[in-house]
Amino acid sequence: DTEVTQTPKHLVMGMTNKKSLKCEQHMGHRAMYWYKQKAKKPPELMFVYSYEKLSINESVPSRFSPECPNSSLLNLHLHALQPEDSALYLCASSQVGSESYNEQFFGPGTRLTVL
Amino acid sequence: GDSVTQMEGPVTLSEEAFLTINCTYTATGYPSLFWYVQYPGEGLQLLLKATKADDKGSNKGFEATYRKETTSFHLEKGSVQVSDSAVYFCALSDRNQAGTALIFGKGTTLSVSS
Repeated sequence: DTEVTQTPKHLVMGMTNKKSLKCEQHMGHRAMYWYKQKAKKPPELMFVYSYEKLSINESVPSRFSPECPNSSLLNLHLHALQPEDSALYLCASSQVGSESYNEQFFGPGTRLTVL
Repeated sequence: GDSVTQMEGPVTLSEEAFLTINCTYTATGYPSLFWYVQYPGEGLQLLLKATKADDKGSNKGFEATYRKETTSFHLEKGSVQVSDSAVYFCALSDRNQAGTALIFGKGTTLSVSS
């Protein structure tokens, strides 16, 4: 299984809602990532988990809250978002170790619209 | 810091034309280099990779060679198809820093017409 899955595929939420994005991989990867991608731009890193511990937080606002319940799952909890948070949210995973070359496998993304 | 520069798009080609998308990089050390492709409405797919100088990555008719002397990783395909229409991202990573961000170029949009 060389796939990263993400749910939901699309999400529309109001600024007062609480929602969660989910990501799953079964490749045995021990690093998992959240990226945010705006239209016609490259992905921007938000968070990295390595061995289920948060290792990188790229100064992301607290209205985004990541969680890594186990080595296969990654969640992104959303609360009180702003319209400018509307974007494609991509999950990725990779091996950890010198032979991994940091090759990252991406999921299909969740298209988020904040009204 | 490390960076990737891609040629500006969009690139518009007729079917069966030859494709080159230029990518150059700036990095300390010896990065791994990648090309990702993003089809409309989808996530990123790894197209090919190279992890050391003179490596050639290839997949689905696409090729790119890691040129350390010119710090380049240009993407080529001999005969493009309409189905190749997508956005292509060149990216690099510090090969010894698994679990860190990929550094992406701005992306090049390819449009192929029949």
